Amino acid sequence: GQNIDQPTEMTATEGAIVQINCTYQTSGFNGLFWYQQHAGEAPTFLSYNVLDGLEEKGRFSSFLSRSKGYSYLLLKELQMKDSASYLCAALDSNYQLIWGAGTKLIIKP
Amino acid sequence: DVKVTQSSRYLVKRTGEKVFLECVQDMDHENMFWYRQDPGLGLRLIYFSYDVKMKEKGDIPEGYSVSREKKERFSLILESASTNQTSMYLCASSFGREAEKLFFGSGTQLSVL
Repeated sequence: GQNIDQPTEMTATEGAIVQINCTYQTSGFNGLFWYQQHAGEAPTFLSYNVLDGLEEKGRFSSFLSRSKGYSYLLLKELQMKDSASYLCAALDSNYQLIWGAGTKLIIKP
Repeated sequence: DVKVTQSSRYLVKRTGEKVFLECVQDMDHENMFWYRQDPGLGLRLIYFSYDVKMKEKGDIPEGYSVSREKKERFSLILESASTNQTSMYLCASSFGREAEKLFFGSGTQLSVL
């Protein structure tokens, strides 16, 4: 079957760096998305990776290894406003999204 | 700015009632989706539509139907609400059929009593 695994919850300190991991098993693969969702709000797009490697976008970076079925989202210089859930979603061979349950990130001062 | 608007933020309904959830997007997107989001689970796709008057079942269509009479509007219908349909419902839209990012509405928290 198709599956996405990511940690349920993580805690980090303001100003620090945190890495949120995501592993996936899908029927075919057409890329991986990360979304951010603040409590009570809509998910918003953060990144899309389809090729191996690291893509940097300001304080946020996303990495993909297709051979390992693995991705991570790296958040640097953490701010209190980064407290949110981070959703990992893989695109299968039919271009259908398979979603992880999300990682709740708690930032402490 | 791109916008997906869901008509209600919170809804409380009784078991057996017919429930309509409305979603409107202003981006001229071809594709629209309805998901439900439950604690501890990933987003689950209920129905989607790639064109006006077109609909496709997602992973959990049972107990739901949809309507897309106009390109910008995608409605989710619960024919006879049940308590296990208490959930957060998220509408989303995207431009292309392939690796396009989704734009989400703010969600409707539905409670069925």
